[in-house]
Amino acid sequence: EVQLVESGGALVQPGGSLRLSCAASGFTFSNYAMTWVRQAPGKGLEWVSAVIGSGTTTYYADSVKGRFTISRDNSKNTLYLQMNSLRAEDTAVYYCAKRTLGDYYFDCWGQGTLVTVSS
Amino acid sequence: EIVMTQSPATLSVSPGDRATLSCRAIQSLSSNLAWYQQKPGQAPRLLIYGASTRATGIPARFSGSGSGTEFTLTISSLQSEDFAVYYCQQYNNWPLTFGGGTKVEIK
Repeated sequence: EVQLVESGGALVQPGGSLRLSCAASGFTFSNYAMTWVRQAPGKGLEWVSAVIGSGTTTYYADSVKGRFTISRDNSKNTLYLQMNSLRAEDTAVYYCAKRTLGDYYFDCWGQGTLVTVSS
Repeated sequence: EIVMTQSPATLSVSPGDRATLSCRAIQSLSSNLAWYQQKPGQAPRLLIYGASTRATGIPARFSGSGSGTEFTLTISSLQSEDFAVYYCQQYNNWPLTFGGGTKVEIK
């Protein structure tokens, strides 16, 4: 069974940093691009970042470019999101999701981890 | 950035009725559009990709249509478990973008 489990969400002060993790199981992790999508409280979905299977190519939304870094450790079947210079507007549930072999739509999602940026 | 506009924001439907949800893009996506369903407290679930192909395990009452800039998700006969929020997502261009969502509620 394909499973994604996020962790690392917390309450952090504005300007602070946090690293999210997403542990993957049930599929050949290195074969699939992965992504982070977030959802602010009561709001819609916002794509954040993606990384290809090898980890050598990454993509970012303008809202996080220069502050967030996506990475992966294929030996540990784990996806990461390093978040720096956090702002109140980064407050959201962060989901990791697995891309299909076809294209950048996502057929498996984790349950999410809550990041709250507040003083 | 490709802005995705979904309408209506809220759709009130009786169980057993048909629901028609719209998603519009500001430029052509070809058929590079997906639909997701999200229930409260849950992660999104992939319903449709390629504008019209149902994902694995998705019931036949869900259908997608359209290409270019205009897309539609139709639920032919709403079941109780279908009341949820539905999002479209384009994957034709970076950055990936989602629509604002349509909430399907019980009338």
